[in-house]
Amino acid sequence: QKEVEQNSGPLSVPEGAIASLNCTYSDRGSQSFFWYRQYSGKSPELIMSIYSNGDKEDGRFTAQLNKASQYVSLLIRDSQPSDSATYLCAVKGTGFQKLVFGTGTRLLVSP
Amino acid sequence: SQTIHQWPATLVQPVGSPLSLECTVEGTSNPNLYWYRQAAGRGLQLLFYSVGIGQISSEVPQNLSASRPQDRQFILSSKKLLLSDSGFYLCAWSVIVNEQFFGPGTRLTVL
Repeated sequence: QKEVEQNSGPLSVPEGAIASLNCTYSDRGSQSFFWYRQYSGKSPELIMSIYSNGDKEDGRFTAQLNKASQYVSLLIRDSQPSDSATYLCAVKGTGFQKLVFGTGTRLLVSP
Repeated sequence: SQTIHQWPATLVQPVGSPLSLECTVEGTSNPNLYWYRQAAGRGLQLLFYSVGIGQISSEVPQNLSASRPQDRQFILSSKKLLLSDSGFYLCAWSVIVNEQFFGPGTRLTVL
C-alpha cells in the first residue's frame, strides 16, 4: 500500500470551474499536510499547508483536511489555464521532518 | 528573503563518469537541507537530508553520496554513474517549521 495516494489524472475542467484534487494517506500519526504545484519541467512550488482538521483558504485555493478519514483535498476555484500543472500532495510522516509525496495529479484547465 | 540555487541546470554524462551537483541557500542560517530525485513519471524520492554541517542521513542505499561542507551548501556526488541515476535532482531547505522549499533542480541524463 502506498503511503500517500493520488489519482494521476489528468483531471480536466473548463475555465472558471472548481477543480477538486484528492489525496489519501496511510500514517494515522501524520500531523502536517502540504500541496505543491509543479509545472512541466520545473521544480515543485509550495502553495498550501494545513495542520488542523477543517478548511484553510488562501485566495482561490482551499485545503481541506479530515484526519479521521485520512483524507486531504485541494479545491481551486475559478480555475484558470495557468493552473494547468501537476499537483503533489505531501504528508509529514514519522521521523525527522521527512515528507512523503504522492505521485501527483495532473490538472488540465481548458479555455 | 531566502533563495536556493542549484547548478548545473542540465547535465549529460556517460555511464561510469563521476557526478557533483551543488546546492546553496541564501538568506537563512542553519537550514535543514534535502536532496530528492524525481524520475520520469514517478514521485519524489528523498535521497539524503542534513540537519547541520557534516551531518548526513541517507534514505536510500545507492551509489550516491552527499556532503555538507558549509552551513548553506549541500553537495550530491557519485563516483560512477549508472543509467538508472538519470532524473531530476532537487535540493530543498526548511527551518523549524515543516515546510520545505525547492530549488530549480538539475536535470541529469546518463547515457
